[in-house]
Amino acid sequence: GAVVSQHPSWVICKSGTSVKIECRSLDFQATTMFWYRQFPKQSLMLMATSNEGSKATYEQGVEKDKFLINHASLTLSTLTVTSAHPEDSSFYICSARDPTNEKLFFGSGTQLSVL
Amino acid sequence: KNEVEQSPQNLTAQEGEFITINCSYSVGISALHWLQQHPGGGIVSLFMLSSGKKKHGRLIATINIQEKHSSLHITASHPRDSAVYICAVRANDKIIFGKGTRLHILP
Repeated sequence: GAVVSQHPSWVICKSGTSVKIECRSLDFQATTMFWYRQFPKQSLMLMATSNEGSKATYEQGVEKDKFLINHASLTLSTLTVTSAHPEDSSFYICSARDPTNEKLFFGSGTQLSVL
Repeated sequence: KNEVEQSPQNLTAQEGEFITINCSYSVGISALHWLQQHPGGGIVSLFMLSSGKKKHGRLIATINIQEKHSSLHITASHPRDSAVYICAVRANDKIIFGKGTRLHILP
């Protein structure tokens, strides 16, 4: 069964609204979670690294005020796309690192469509 | 030049064929992951390697740290193996992805 749960699987929203995506580690405490974005037929791009109890580290070119990341507990990280625009439409996926074995586990992804 | 290069980009083969996907990287790494992404987008981590070779069922992954190269092999390929296979390396706590290899196994 899945060890990382991502919700929702897909979301359609109007331009200007905010969307929250949740990523939960089910079987382990994840001190580090990662958020990625994937445009059609392109490779995954790391957006940010989320560390429990501290501020996320964003990759170059990713607006931290637009993509708010909160990692308030060892099992939950959230990504909020604020004031979404059509160009934010993409596939967002999270992963969590199991600190006991350094393995990465991926969520099932969220397809965001902004109208 | 990308820090992680995969080849081939696309591969179509007949059921039963032996498949090899290659990954070369140009940075120092602490680990290399092989991932499988299905058409729906879901990603499964197949292997995590830091040295040597790992085997799981029909899948074999090898890594040569000195040559900065890894290969993923699929023996007795099956149509259900059709997916995008992605090589990802961990370097300085960042994860860098290859562009993926789109594999299509024909029945």
